Amino acid sequence: NAGVTQTPKFRVLKTGQSMTLLCAQDMNHEYMYWYRQDPGMGLRLIHYSVGEGTTAKGEVPDGYNVSRLKKQNFLLGLESAAPSQTSVYFCAISVKREYTGELFFGEGSRLTVL
Amino acid sequence: AQSVAQPEDQVNVAEGNPLTVKCTYSVSGNPYLFWYVQYPNRGLQFLLKYITGDNLVKGSYGFEAEFNKSQTSFHLKKPSALVSDSALYFCAVRDIQAAGNKLTFGGGTRVLVKP
Repeated sequence: NAGVTQTPKFRVLKTGQSMTLLCAQDMNHEYMYWYRQDPGMGLRLIHYSVGEGTTAKGEVPDGYNVSRLKKQNFLLGLESAAPSQTSVYFCAISVKREYTGELFFGEGSRLTVL
Repeated sequence: AQSVAQPEDQVNVAEGNPLTVKCTYSVSGNPYLFWYVQYPNRGLQFLLKYITGDNLVKGSYGFEAEFNKSQTSFHLKKPSALVSDSALYFCAVRDIQAAGNKLTFGGGTRVLVKP
């Protein structure tokens, strides 16, 4: 998983608190993604970005915001955390090779909302 | 819309025996198909992909997968499983019409290889 770094790796929040997850890459890839992983549901796409300054909604965007101010960083924010957002969050990156590029994943960030 | 189904939550196999992890997909156009593996407390690692060409795709760690268009399947196989293959396996699909290289993942199949 070299090249994709997620911080923090663990976090416990109380309902209503806010936080930001940072994804940093050193591979100069255009595309970046945030997924959440829940038991039995695989990975679901929250938001993604196809380049600096651009973001788009994925499958489950509600309750999250993102920003891509710099090409190498993709931030995922929770403005008011809810217990339903307890999950493991994965950042992934991909080359801008239309359709065929595989994703490279970070190690994950485990978030618990009490 | 694109979707992936992995019908088995868990597969148990004895070391040295063949391993198969099933995957079926649904896309509106031509599919690009991927397999990933996840070890405990780690991110997903790419195993192999089918883009075009030969229906049998070979990947990392001795794994291979067979694309079957008529059955819309992309099953992962390994001729002789190792204990170290015990992990969570995900199938994923990308529709050629989907922007941004987005992948849709199946629910995952846990593989347990017993000595």
